[in-house]
Formats: sequence, structure tokens, C-alpha cells
Amino acid sequence: ERVMTQSPATLSVSPGGRATLSCRASQTVSSNLAWYQQKPGQAPRLLIYGASTRATGIPGRFSGSGSGTEFTLTISSLQSEDFAVYYCQQYHNWPLTFGGGTKVEIK
Amino acid sequence: EVQLVESGGDLVQPGRSLRLSCTVSGFTFGDYAMTWVRQPPGKGLEWVGLIRSRDNGGTTEYAASVRDRFIISRDDSKSVAYLQMNSLKTEDTAVYYCADSGARGYDYYMDVWGKGTTVSVSS
Repeated sequence: ERVMTQSPATLSVSPGGRATLSCRASQTVSSNLAWYQQKPGQAPRLLIYGASTRATGIPGRFSGSGSGTEFTLTISSLQSEDFAVYYCQQYHNWPLTFGGGTKVEIK
Repeated sequence: EVQLVESGGDLVQPGRSLRLSCTVSGFTFGDYAMTWVRQPPGKGLEWVGLIRSRDNGGTTEYAASVRDRFIISRDDSKSVAYLQMNSLKTEDTAVYYCADSGARGYDYYMDVWGKGTTVSVSS
């Protein structure tokens, strides 16, 4: 099983600032990685797939990078609606697995 | 508009069974793989399992924690996916989400999610 480790657990960022979230896989997942955003009381929403491709309707301030075992989600110029929990998920191997999440909070 | 609506969540005693449904509209359900994901209270997301489209064999995959207890099925004529949960344990308490995993036949990330249904397992 691929274990996905996200860091940091909590990230404090000022509105308009930049957030850099990390996701590490215990073994390679190639580029088979997705990122999701979840706001309190809501279902998750797909942001990024294929490590770097934005899903439909996702603003350009969200970008993903990486391959193999190291991945990054960057949110440039954080807006109020971006404060949420972010999860990575690998779909390279069964079972599919999620990281533990990074909470992006207002500084 | 794509919509997924989960139903069937309830409070049940340990050892009992429950069936969740995920009713889909807005796309050709039979072409899509469907996934179940759960989230225990205050915790992160846990993948539960997936059922492929009929064209891709209609086969299933499960997390180790639910294999042999949970069964995912689908009724393409009704555009519904099911999660049959047997021998429920207190640790199965969670919000259960269904999501579509595309008509790709591979790359099983979750495109669109339902709002979830709550399952509580307690005596």
C-alpha cells in the first residue's frame, strides 16, 4: 500500500499570500496523483489530477507539480474562499490512498 | 448538471447491516466507474472501494478494512450505485461519499462528489 504523507498539517497564510503544500508517497506513484479541497461541512472537490492538470473550473492560482514520490500544490495569492483542508490522493496502485490532509488557515 | 445524491445513512447497532445508495443524474451512468469514500468524524478521507463500468468488466476493488464485509454494486438501468455494509463496526462510523471516477477506464481519481450520507454505528 502506498502511504501518502502530507506536510505541514496546518499552514497559516495571510490573505493574498502564497501557500505551498507537500505530499510524499512511500513508493513511486508516477504522475498518478490528485489534489482535493474540502471546506467545513462540504464534500471534497477535485482541484488537480495527473499531478499538474487543473480540473474544470479551477482557477489558475492553483498549480500542482512533481512526480514519483514528491508533489507540491501551490496556491498563489490566497483568496478567502481558499482557506480549507487539502488532500492528495494516489491512483497508481490499489488500494487508492489519501494523505492525511493539510489545513490552510488564515494568519 | 452532474449530480450525485447519497441516501440510506442511519444509526445502526454493531454487527448489523446497512445499504447506501448513490443516485446519479447528468451523465451516462453506465459509462462511469463509481467510488465510495468515507470520512470519520473530525478525521481525513478514506477510500472504501470502486466499481468499474460494465464495459470495463464491472469489477470491484476494496480497501483492506472493508473487504469481505462491504459490497459495491450498480444498477445501470436506474443510475444507482450501492454500498452494502455488513457486520458493521463502531469504526465504520463516518460520512460516506460517492463520487464518479470517470469514463476513462483508468486513472481512478474522483471527479464529482455527492454531499454524503452519515452512518453511525453504536449500541
